[in-house]
Amino acid sequence: GESVGLHLPTLSVQEGDNSIINCAYSNSASDYFIWYKQESGKGPQFIIDIRSNMDKRQGQRVTVLLNKTVKHLSLQIAATQPGDSAVYFCAETPDSSYKLIFGSGTRLLVRP
Amino acid sequence: DSGVTQTPKHLITATGQRVTLRCSPRSGDLSVYWYQQSLDQGLQFLIQYYNGEERAKGNILERFSAQQFPDLHSELNLSSLELGDSALYFCASSGQVGNSPLHFGNGTRLTVT
Repeated sequence: GESVGLHLPTLSVQEGDNSIINCAYSNSASDYFIWYKQESGKGPQFIIDIRSNMDKRQGQRVTVLLNKTVKHLSLQIAATQPGDSAVYFCAETPDSSYKLIFGSGTRLLVRP
Repeated sequence: DSGVTQTPKHLITATGQRVTLRCSPRSGDLSVYWYQQSLDQGLQFLIQYYNGEERAKGNILERFSAQQFPDLHSELNLSSLELGDSALYFCASSGQVGNSPLHFGNGTRLTVT
């Protein structure tokens, strides 16, 4: 079916440490994946995306890893900052309509 | 600022009523998507329009309907409202053909009392 799930609902990290947020997806036909950040009272904000023909993509302080063999996606945030505190969602596109199917989210808390 | 505008920001209404949520996509974007987010939940896809035509449908209730107008803005109509319809409703838009990020507005918070 079309579902994307997360292993950890809440992740607490020390400021300056690296954060890793994980996501499992179920649709092997999905060929595009995105990570979004949602702060309180705001809409989801695009962080980084990756296509299924890649296994790693880097942005500014963020890296997304895709393991198609086990249908696993992760978001790594380097040197986590207080401003990174938010809920993070992974999402996938399971078909040619290009709609996004979202996971349930992980709350990231950054301790000062 | 994503460039996607949603109005109103907040809406409080009673059960049984009907409301209309409005979305203006980013300039030039042809696709509009509607999502529902209940408290502490993920985003549930409702419906997608592309250049005025319905493109994909998710778990949208029959009491809900949407449309996209020639100027590309979109409206989501919710009728016979129930307490469980209280949620954040997000609109997103995209412009490219093919997989690309969706750009989200800041949502309309609907409270049904």
